[in-house]
Amino acid sequence: SQQGEEDPQALSIQEGENATMNCSYKTSINNLQWYRQNSGRGLVHLILIRSNEREKHSGRLRVTLDTSKKSSSLLITASRAADTASYFCATAVGTGGSYIPTFGRGTSLIVHP
Amino acid sequence: DAGVIQSPRHEVTEMGQEVTLRCKPISGHNSLFWYRQTMMRGLELLIYFNNNVPIDDSGMPEDRFSAKMPNASFSTLKIQPSEPRDSAVYFCASSPRGGAFFGQGTRLTVV
Repeated sequence: SQQGEEDPQALSIQEGENATMNCSYKTSINNLQWYRQNSGRGLVHLILIRSNEREKHSGRLRVTLDTSKKSSSLLITASRAADTASYFCATAVGTGGSYIPTFGRGTSLIVHP
Repeated sequence: DAGVIQSPRHEVTEMGQEVTLRCKPISGHNSLFWYRQTMMRGLELLIYFNNNVPIDDSGMPEDRFSAKMPNASFSTLKIQPSEPRDSAVYFCASSPRGGAFFGQGTRLTVV
């Protein structure tokens, strides 16, 4: 099965700094998604980027996708302590009318106030 | 909409007992997924349904695991008999076609 792999595994920054997380995958995809998971909670969908898109923005989030390198990055600008969470990328291939997200191991982000 | 609702939130059971996890997806979503999350293995897809029909259950670890979706608003994941290595957080997620919306999960502990 396809699986994104996030890098780094852990990231520690100060409030106000930017945080960049990367995701690499192995085979062709329909779309790639980023999720956030706060400790003890479910995953929250942040942003979806389709295979024919190169960049997407949502508030302080910026996602890029390079299908030639099979990689994506998530940039969080002007980070806040509340951004502390694990961030996952999920690759999705359409089949049977569904897009099935397959997750990597995640990046643990700590933002120090 | 209340989002994806899972019950129970926590379950502690003895080895050998039957465990049933429940999920109510978001109305109108045609796909439903069951995932398991552990420190060792991360998030694993167990099974997914499209329009209430199981499409791929290759992620179900053993025959002890079974899942049903009798209608568009309800799904169950059953483990019988349960074992300590089944201890994990089990997530249900639904999707309209694209990003998935997750429930809060059921933390299962088998002792």
